[in-house]
Amino acid sequence: GAVVSQHPSWVICKSGTSVKIECRSLDFQATTMFWYRQFPKQSLMLMATSNEGSKATYEQGVEKDKFLINHASLTLSTLTVTSAHPEDSSFYICSARDPGRGQGAFFGQGTRLTVV
Amino acid sequence: GQSLEQPSEVTAVEGAIVQINCTYQTSGFYGLSWYQQHDGGAPTFLSYNALDGLEETGRFSSFLSRSDSYGYLLLQELQMKDSASYFCAFLGGKLIFGQGTELSVKP
Repeated sequence: GAVVSQHPSWVICKSGTSVKIECRSLDFQATTMFWYRQFPKQSLMLMATSNEGSKATYEQGVEKDKFLINHASLTLSTLTVTSAHPEDSSFYICSARDPGRGQGAFFGQGTRLTVV
Repeated sequence: GQSLEQPSEVTAVEGAIVQINCTYQTSGFYGLSWYQQHDGGAPTFLSYNALDGLEETGRFSSFLSRSDSYGYLLLQELQMKDSASYFCAFLGGKLIFGQGTELSVKP
């Protein structure tokens, strides 16, 4: 149980375009989802906390107009990287809390974004 | 502020026992989680401690002392496949990760 599905697994896009990443909780309702960014050999950096039905809470230094987060339902959150640039190339990972389990959070497979 | 500290790397041999420590600082705390991440993959949930004491899950155990703001992950009967990065993370209003410990298991 506690399956989180993230799509796509990898994407290559041209500089200046936008990319949408989806995160779904498949067998539970996630009132809270987290979006992370990870560079090689580094830890997961929290970008924002997404709560269903309300605006996301962004971490300091994360541009909310560039990284648009929508959590429209209890099973789906999306991250849109707008006007992507090569420096946005990274591994993006979502996770979701399962309130029924009360145990931390479970992760999607991650999305490797390459901007060329 | 909020922070977690853990060693950057640990090396051990197959069959041994290794302990990865984690100290944290935060104003709001629900529990301490541990995750494993292999190169190129997403983190996998290992364990969670909300209360003081030891939680055992197979070869992995996790311990928490809230009064000391300290926890550890204990890995027993190490196998080569355990070579990975291990992260402690605390859950308050959000899930914050430590810098990770790279575990290398040698034959």
